[in-house]
Amino acid sequence: DVKVTQSSRYLVKRTGEKVFLECVQDMDHENMFWYRQDPGLGLRLIYFSYDVKMKEKGDIPEGYSVSREKKERFSLILESASTNQTSMYLCASSSIGSTTYNEQFFGPGTRLTVL
Amino acid sequence: SQQGEEDPQALSIQEGENATMNCSYKTSINNLQWYRQNSGRGLVHLILIRSNEREKHSGRLRVTLDTSKKSSSLLITASRAADTASYFCATVFLNQGGKLIFGQGTELSVKP
Repeated sequence: DVKVTQSSRYLVKRTGEKVFLECVQDMDHENMFWYRQDPGLGLRLIYFSYDVKMKEKGDIPEGYSVSREKKERFSLILESASTNQTSMYLCASSSIGSTTYNEQFFGPGTRLTVL
Repeated sequence: SQQGEEDPQALSIQEGENATMNCSYKTSINNLQWYRQNSGRGLVHLILIRSNEREKHSGRLRVTLDTSKKSSSLLITASRAADTASYFCATVFLNQGGKLIFGQGTELSVKP
């Protein structure tokens, strides 16, 4: 079974802190994604990566950056956390489909609170 | 917005009844996927239907896709209390590099 793990289930940080959210997958997937989930807004894509050292902006990249130095690890960085970044953060991975786009496998999520 | 819209936003039924959730979208898709999320957890993939398919089954799940109406439905038959969760449709649009666009979800409550 594919396993996607996230470094923390719950995290509390202060405004202005630099925050690192780590995601690791064990199935050699090429694609990795970071979403945030907010009530009434559903899941929104922050950044994604198709390969090591490659990254592409999603729908809401402002205030975030990412790093993918190894295939299995995709990090989300909040350079200077703000209260409006309080949210549930979900990481996902998928393999490259031959003709279609495959399902994504999700981690358990990190609930981040910025005070 | 290309985001899928789901209907209803919340659904409450008794155990044993069927649950139907609908998803609509706006532009041509490569495929449509349904996911389930238990409270406070990550999403779990349920089923994928390609744009050239009209119906797909998986256990108690039945998914239909009508590309002319740009809509899909998820039917859960003989529901159980353990089916209580949020259900999301996610579309993969043509020329969007495989990104999933999620709807806002339907919150299903199955009462024992």
